Amino acid sequence: QKEVEQNSGPLSVPEGAIASLNCTYSDRVSQSFFWYRQYSGKSPELIMSIYSNGDKEDGRFTAQLNKASQYVSLLIRDSQPSDSATYLCALYTGRRALTFGSGTRLQVQP
Amino acid sequence: DAGVIQSPRHEVTEMGQEVTLRCKPISGHNSLFWYRQTMMRGLELLIYFNNNVPIDDSGMPEDRFSAKMPNASFSTLKIQPSEPRDSAVYFCASSSWTEGLAFFGQGTRLTVV
Repeated sequence: QKEVEQNSGPLSVPEGAIASLNCTYSDRVSQSFFWYRQYSGKSPELIMSIYSNGDKEDGRFTAQLNKASQYVSLLIRDSQPSDSATYLCALYTGRRALTFGSGTRLQVQP
Repeated sequence: DAGVIQSPRHEVTEMGQEVTLRCKPISGHNSLFWYRQTMMRGLELLIYFNNNVPIDDSGMPEDRFSAKMPNASFSTLKIQPSEPRDSAVYFCASSSWTEGLAFFGQGTRLTVV
């Protein structure tokens, strides 16, 4: 089992809709969780971090963490074509560097 | 803040040649990471340094790969000899604290022909 699992997509949503991206992980001692966005040909950039159970909102983005079920999700409200990218889930256990999922490709249709 | 700086941005080399990738982390960051990204395997950690000391190199694929960090502001990843299967985008990232947050450089796209 991979440490971090993501559906590769593509996830296609119409402009203005809510995009829901999900991630599950296997290591229960994971402490910190991050969502990175990566445009084609570019480097990953951090968009959200979450450390405790519940929701964390930042503008149009909401990260959700459920440690008991070992999943973390990212909601993007009012999706825009500029949100089209690959979204990488990453976690930190304190023992190694960040471990990344394979990413979910999001396509927002105008 | 200039961010993490990598060079070169693109490298095309022939099989068997030595390749050296360079990274300058963000000033003040004490952790540095080398990742490799391919379509097949995604983003893989190769090695990371803390305070210039290699902490975990279990991701280095084989002895052809080596990495050094002679000081807090510079690191290299060397492949000798290079092979076509080494073709990938190599990212350097740095971090200033222990909660894992990392900032990435623009990457080096390596093509070995």
